[in-house]
Amino acid sequence: DQQVKQNSPSLSVQEGRISILNCDYTNSMFDYFLWYKKYPAEGPTFLISISSIKDKNEDGRFTVFLNKSAKHLSLHIVPSQPGDSAVYFCAASGSKSGGNQFYFGTGTSLTVIP
Amino acid sequence: NAGVTQTPKFRVLKTGQSMTLLCAQDMNHEYMYWYRQDPGMGLRLIHYSVGEGTTAKGEVPDGYNVSRLKKQNFLLGLESAAPSQTSVYFCASSKGLAGGYEQYFGPGTRLTVT
Repeated sequence: DQQVKQNSPSLSVQEGRISILNCDYTNSMFDYFLWYKKYPAEGPTFLISISSIKDKNEDGRFTVFLNKSAKHLSLHIVPSQPGDSAVYFCAASGSKSGGNQFYFGTGTSLTVIP
Repeated sequence: NAGVTQTPKFRVLKTGQSMTLLCAQDMNHEYMYWYRQDPGMGLRLIHYSVGEGTTAKGEVPDGYNVSRLKKQNFLLGLESAAPSQTSVYFCASSKGLAGGYEQYFGPGTRLTVT
């Protein structure tokens, strides 16, 4: 059973506009969340993280929002650039339950149109 | 500083053949992981290691074995390959356990079993 879900397989956005990628999770023990970016034929690279003690974390053009009551997180990219075109994975882990592994979503393919 | 490297990049096996995938990291990380990525499934953890000489099962360990004889290397073995093991395999390493530390990924190994 998928504990981390990304229900949108793909998303297209115009350059300069905001990209919003969504992720839902089912395990209430998760308390650390990350976003990874993946280009074709490369491994995922870490983008941004957030722990459950926060509801927002910002790094340049990237902001992650966490809504614990809804078990939902989102990644905002503003402004979107063509180089942001990639597959984005969210991942979650639970330090309180051992935290030995991350659970990954299935990914959202973002295309930023010039 | 090469980060995480994987050998080989591509491999084609026949059913029943065996092979070993090699992962090496030069970041002095204690923790190492093997994942597989399949279409529509995201990344799933096969095995992981919390230090030299230790290994543990992840989400999908059946059909695989691992060894961590040296801190910098993590080997993934397939004793008798099956078509269901056709996948892209990613190795990752981290400074600490999942709950609080991001993972650094290698470029992947694309394995086809015919």
